[in-house]
Amino acid sequence: DAKTTQPTSMDCAEGRAANLPCNHSTISGNEYVYWYRQIHSQGPQYIIHGLKNNETNEMASLIITEDRKSSTLILPHATLRDTAVYYCIVRPRNSYTGANSKLTFGKGITLSVRP
Amino acid sequence: EPEVTQTPSHQVTQMGQEVILRCVPISNHLYFYWYRQILGQKVEFLVSFYNNEISEKSEIFDDQFSVERPDGSNFTLKIRSTKLEDSAMYFCASAGASQETQYFGPGTRLLVL
Repeated sequence: DAKTTQPTSMDCAEGRAANLPCNHSTISGNEYVYWYRQIHSQGPQYIIHGLKNNETNEMASLIITEDRKSSTLILPHATLRDTAVYYCIVRPRNSYTGANSKLTFGKGITLSVRP
Repeated sequence: EPEVTQTPSHQVTQMGQEVILRCVPISNHLYFYWYRQILGQKVEFLVSFYNNEISEKSEIFDDQFSVERPDGSNFTLKIRSTKLEDSAMYFCASAGASQETQYFGPGTRLLVL
């Protein structure tokens, strides 16, 4: 079962920042926080991941609280094409064989960007 | 930008038939995965594969399923005798040596009649 809790849905206006929260209160020290999104029925798309420091890339920023029990994905300027289901996933550090590296998807949060 | 590709994009088959879903992972990736998503449900892990061996498999991945890397580029999922409940989107993913990021293909939509 997924170890994260996300709201079911949210919306934001085009051009504004979208802040997507995630709770992972049982996260352990060797687990990363990952964010993926799925647009309609396409394959999940990697967005960003982090361990304890905040991270930023060309798509988004990831803010992880100091106690690591929650995080927020920030899309700084949402566009209509960002409408998708966003998944917050915790996953252990990798083992050499690839065991325990699976991604466990929950229901995610449906983000609707309105014009 | 390199990407995972999957063929076919759609497949319709009769119950009891064998199907093979094909994936071409990102070149130089070492870790390979299959997931599936039944319509309206979550994305579910099926199997992970490394060094020509299954690393981990889920309860869904029973004896009807098998995976193979027949050559240096393809990664296949075979379902020996399809059931109605195998109808789903099947996603392949691959990851590089660090395993940190899995990149997904666009999926194969399988419909079993």
